[in-house]
Amino acid sequence: KAGVTQTPRYLIKTRGQQVTLSCSPISGHRSVSWYQQTPGQGLQFLFEYFSETQRNKGNFPGRFSGRQFSNSRSEMNVSTLELGDSALYLCASAGDSSYNEQFFGPGTRLTVL
Amino acid sequence: GQSLEQPSEVTAVEGAIVQINCTYQTSGFYGLSWYQQHDGGAPTFLSYNGLDGLEETGRFSSFLSRSDSYGYLLLQELQMKDSASYFCAVRSSTNAGKSTFGDGTTLTVKP
Repeated sequence: KAGVTQTPRYLIKTRGQQVTLSCSPISGHRSVSWYQQTPGQGLQFLFEYFSETQRNKGNFPGRFSGRQFSNSRSEMNVSTLELGDSALYLCASAGDSSYNEQFFGPGTRLTVL
Repeated sequence: GQSLEQPSEVTAVEGAIVQINCTYQTSGFYGLSWYQQHDGGAPTFLSYNGLDGLEETGRFSSFLSRSDSYGYLLLQELQMKDSASYFCAVRSSTNAGKSTFGDGTTLTVKP
């Protein structure tokens, strides 16, 4: 089956703008998590959605938000972009029976100028 | 909350065995997972230990000891393609499955 897809793959924005990233999970997966990864850093957890509900969230400011649709596709939004938001944004999906095995998409590389 | 500690870098030669440790502090978790990430790529799942003990998948093995708050990933017969970053991760059993990753260990395999 098809893997996790993310669009767009690359984005360049300027400070103060907002951005929306999209993630389509593996068919049948209801859990979608979002992560921020900066050079040399681990994966910082943003939030997880399950069946259209945010199940938990990490320690990021309210400028970072997300949502999940009935088909499990998810979007994350970052408003009022800052230079420090430049990063690789990864989404991962997981199945109900293999919750601890996350399947990652290729990521969206966001550059804020 | 959860925190996981891993060495930042490990270097080994082709054909050797290397162990990447992960120590954790957590209020409760389901088990320990390991992921591999090549430069410019996405993390890919390697293994999961839900119970204490050793799990083996080909050249890779993973171990968990809940009593010692410790786990490791063992890579045998190292190949150049094993050069990558390796992350340990947990999902909280007390905070709705919140996911936490270690900062990653960069493995360099030399000929």
